[in-house]
Amino acid sequence: GDSVTQMEGPVTLSEEAFLTINCTYTATGYPSLFWYVQYPGEGLQLLLKATKADDKGSNKGFEATYRKETTSFHLEKGSVQVSDSAVYFCALNQNSGNTPLVFGKGTRLSVIA
Amino acid sequence: GAGVSQTPSNKVTEKGKYVELRCDPISGHTALYWYRQSLGQGPEFLIYFQGTGAADDSGLPNDRFFAVRPEGSVSTLKIQRTERGDSAVYLCASKDSGNTIYFGEGSWLTVV
Repeated sequence: GDSVTQMEGPVTLSEEAFLTINCTYTATGYPSLFWYVQYPGEGLQLLLKATKADDKGSNKGFEATYRKETTSFHLEKGSVQVSDSAVYFCALNQNSGNTPLVFGKGTRLSVIA
Repeated sequence: GAGVSQTPSNKVTEKGKYVELRCDPISGHTALYWYRQSLGQGPEFLIYFQGTGAADDSGLPNDRFFAVRPEGSVSTLKIQRTERGDSAVYLCASKDSGNTIYFGEGSWLTVV
């Protein structure tokens, strides 16, 4: 079945550092890819998405590019802030039908001032 | 607001009791999902509805778990004879026509 693998955390960075959180997937066909973020004590929020190969999703300074050749969707941000501290989840779902999202295990990011 | 609404936000119950968790999806979204998230883990799929019918309930862990969506909008997740291992955040989500899934803030269930 479909699956998502993301780098294990926790990741601790200083403010203004560059962030990369790796995500790779295994899926049939051409799924849509997502990054969700969960801030402390809050629910899951969609951060960005990409629906086809070479698409770049972006939001709040975060970016991820759908790379079919490497089956990857790595999350990047050029300069992190303390407020970016959260758990980040990579996910996919198939575009046909209403298939459920398949999530990675999440990566906890802590940004220190 | 216009987001997915879940109630209660927190529930503490005794082992063996019955629990109902409610989800009110975004208006007009026909697909509705339930997930369970344990501490330190990613969300795990439980069940999804297309309209009133359960299109896929393969994620329900056992027959103590059941969900309904009688009028194709609000859904209720029902857990019978709760066990301590059922303690988790139960997340509801609905999907728009652009294949994007939006989550509620979850119902935090603690079984003592």
